[in-house]
Amino acid sequence: NAGVTQTPKFQVLKTGQSMTLQCAQDMNHEYMSWYRQDPGMGLRLIHYSVGAGITDQGEVPNGYNVSRSTTEDFPLRLLSAAPSQTSVYFCASRDKRDEQFFGPGTRLTVL
Amino acid sequence: AQKITQTQPGMFVQEKEAVTLDCTYDTSDQSYGLFWYKQPSSGEMIFLIYQGSYDEQNATEGRYSLNFQKARKSANLVISASQLGDSAMYFCAMREGRMDSSYKLIFGSGTRLLVRP
Repeated sequence: NAGVTQTPKFQVLKTGQSMTLQCAQDMNHEYMSWYRQDPGMGLRLIHYSVGAGITDQGEVPNGYNVSRSTTEDFPLRLLSAAPSQTSVYFCASRDKRDEQFFGPGTRLTVL
Repeated sequence: AQKITQTQPGMFVQEKEAVTLDCTYDTSDQSYGLFWYKQPSSGEMIFLIYQGSYDEQNATEGRYSLNFQKARKSANLVISASQLGDSAMYFCAMREGRMDSSYKLIFGSGTRLLVRP
């Protein structure tokens, strides 16, 4: 099992550009989520999904879109990047025992 | 009000000694879960230990134990016999509500632990 994978590991964008952060898991977990971690802070929930076709907003959803067409994939789209979105992004999936498995993270810088 | 409070931004511990990292939480739900994660300098989030609100025994996982005091709303992490590899950032997190209907983890701001040789 690869667990939770994320691509890319690093990305630099200019203000106004759009991009998609990829996330995939091979553990057949229904629940997946996206968090962001700003310097010196804990993680904050952006969006989550409880299964294919079902998504909902978390604590800080503005500027991001998600979709869940398959159980395995949960991409995060930045519509028009802003410097305030400079952060480390973590994707996670959760098993039935309530344990969350995190991906390695994507470090995003918006200039 | 903050849901998860970690009051120790940084801590030192001598190798082989035990250390307690503090975490208090705030919720009105009867059902919730408490988690500790380790984040080394490489950046990944590593699950350490879990305590359910209805669990009567304190959770233990190897050298990690969770000192759960429900009335005080505290969930302190105890690391016994500290090792140099324990130097990392530690986050306390809470899932409010039942496991089958609640999916959001709320994180504290973290405690940076440095183990001295």
